[in-house]
Amino acid sequence: AQTVTQSQPEMSVQEAETVTLSCTYDTSENNYYLFWYKQPPSRQMILVIRQEAYKQQNATENRFSVNFQKAAKSFSLKISDSQLGDTAMYFCALPLRGAQKLVFGQGTRLTINP
Amino acid sequence: NAGVTQTPKFQVLKTGQSMTLQCAQDMNHEYMSWYRQDPGMGLRLIHYSVGAGITDQGEVPNGYNVSRSTTEDFPLRLLSAAPSQTSVYFCASSYGRTSSYNEQFFGPGTRLTVL
Repeated sequence: AQTVTQSQPEMSVQEAETVTLSCTYDTSENNYYLFWYKQPPSRQMILVIRQEAYKQQNATENRFSVNFQKAAKSFSLKISDSQLGDTAMYFCALPLRGAQKLVFGQGTRLTINP
Repeated sequence: NAGVTQTPKFQVLKTGQSMTLQCAQDMNHEYMSWYRQDPGMGLRLIHYSVGAGITDQGEVPNGYNVSRSTTEDFPLRLLSAAPSQTSVYFCASSYGRTSSYNEQFFGPGTRLTVL
């Protein structure tokens, strides 16, 4: 079975600091995608960044980057120069094999303090 | 494009009542799905559809029915609401008929409380 685990229920940092959110997963597939979604207080689910497992290079989107360790099945999200608008729940997600269905982690509530 | 829309945004039901959560998308997406979000558990798949007339169960289907008569609409029905169905419900859609994964677009969610 494919599973996703986020072991940090809550995190809090000061504005402009760098923060890393952890995610581990389990899958028997060799090629797959991994995602980080952001859910601000508005509840809207927003795709932050995606990583394709066959790509060696870690994905980057502006201040957001990932550290993808395929052998360790680890997929952490780094937010640099954090901003107040980064305050949100963050979910790690893995699609089920050959399907459009997503398996989500439990989420990490991130608070950026002024 | 309105994207994925959901109605209502909030709903309170009494135990045993029935209701339908509406979901519509205007992106001509073949794949649509329903998730529920509970504290500490992330989002879990309830039902999904790979096209009009085709539906299937996800991880937590009990107590819910779906149908897909058109490409645009994918309603979720609660036939007899229970307090355990208190949750936030999300509808999502994507292009579906490919072997690779396509980005899913989420609706704004419906917060349902069952008393």
